[in-house]
Amino acid sequence: AIQLTQSPSSLSASVGDRVSITCRASQGVSRALTWYQQKPGKAPRLLIYDASSLESGVPSRFSGSGSGTHFTLTISSLQPEDFATYYCQQFNTYPITFGQGTRLEIK
Amino acid sequence: EVQLVESGGGLVQPGRSLRLSCAASGFTFGDYAMHWVRQAPGKGLEWVSGISWSSGTTGYADSVEGRFTISRDNAKNSLYLQMNSLRVEDTALYYCAKDRSPYYYYMDVWGRGATVTVSS
Repeated sequence: AIQLTQSPSSLSASVGDRVSITCRASQGVSRALTWYQQKPGKAPRLLIYDASSLESGVPSRFSGSGSGTHFTLTISSLQPEDFATYYCQQFNTYPITFGQGTRLEIK
Repeated sequence: EVQLVESGGGLVQPGRSLRLSCAASGFTFGDYAMHWVRQAPGKGLEWVSGISWSSGTTGYADSVEGRFTISRDNAKNSLYLQMNSLRVEDTALYYCAKDRSPYYYYMDVWGRGATVTVSS
């Protein structure tokens, strides 16, 4: 199975900061990668699909980039509601796999 | 409004079976693939299984292959997960999720989850 490694595993930042989360795949997944946001006690929410396409209703401060084995989720200016855990997921090769998650906390 | 509601969770002893259901509404269920994704307490997300729109293609995580079976009834707008030979490590919140495609790729709508606890 393809392994996805997210870095960092946790991150402290302030409102207004620009932050980036990286997802590295153990083998190439083309652009078959998505990003989800999960808040405590809630189901995950789709943010980005196909590596860089913004899901409808998701604020434009979220963006995704990358292809192959290296992907990045960027939040241009952190808002209070953005503090959550973020997961990447690949669907290029089965079984589908997720990264271990990145917890974004308030500094 | 698109809605997914899981049911059938509970406490079960190791080695026993349990069947989860997911009732879908607000979209044409038979047009889309569906997934089960689980999350152990305090842990990350783990894809469990997926099924294509017509049930023609199914897939499983290595950890559940041979023990779990995914199925769907498009006439009843329902998704199922039959879980046999349950293990303590299967304890998790199980999410039902809709795909955007007829084949299982990624999840654009999620249910609230059903809790499965495997313990003696």
